[in-house]
Amino acid sequence: ILNVEQSPQSLHVQEGDSTNFTCSFPSSNFYALHWYRWETAKSPEALFVMTLNGDEKKKGRISATLNTKEGYSYLYIKGSQPEDSATYLCALDNAGNMLTFGGGTRLMVKP
Amino acid sequence: DAGVTQSPTHLIKTRGQQVTLRCSPKSGHDTVSWYQQALGQGPQFIFQYYEEEERQRGNFPDRFSGHQFPNYSSELNVNALLLGDSALYLCASSSGTGGYGYTFGSGTRLTVV
Repeated sequence: ILNVEQSPQSLHVQEGDSTNFTCSFPSSNFYALHWYRWETAKSPEALFVMTLNGDEKKKGRISATLNTKEGYSYLYIKGSQPEDSATYLCALDNAGNMLTFGGGTRLMVKP
Repeated sequence: DAGVTQSPTHLIKTRGQQVTLRCSPKSGHDTVSWYQQALGQGPQFIFQYYEEEERQRGNFPDRFSGHQFPNYSSELNVNALLLGDSALYLCASSSGTGGYGYTFGSGTRLTVV
């Protein structure tokens, strides 16, 4: 059973703060690492799919990095806005036709 | 272009009953996966259907079964419901021919009383 861990579980920041959180995963049998943004009562929205060690991806104020050798990925949000409030999920894809999710990081941005 | 559609959005059932949840995949996708998200946890993989067959299964009992239809839509059936089956059930579609993209629906909230 794969173990994907995310930290912290929850995070409260002020509008304008930059923040980051971590996804840790076993580095063996790595195929891809997915990041999702999930607002309450909506569908999880795909942010990034990362496959290569050293990958860096960016979408607006959100970026992510990947280290497959040590088994972690960081998600960064620059200048947090209230609309960034959501749960951020990472999921390991080991090409076994399934995603193994971490428990998520719940981000709350105060205006 | 419609994404993944799940029905119903909410459902209340009694212990011991049976329930069927439905999923229509995103246009162009032929593979459907089901996930269970219990309160405070990340989604857990139940199974995946491709070409109308179960291709992969997670660690869920046989009370959980599924079906995929020729139009790629899918059903998740749960028999002999337990209180612990109360959760959000998510459907995700993808292309069986490769690629990394999974598109999720907004889920069905099942409450067992």
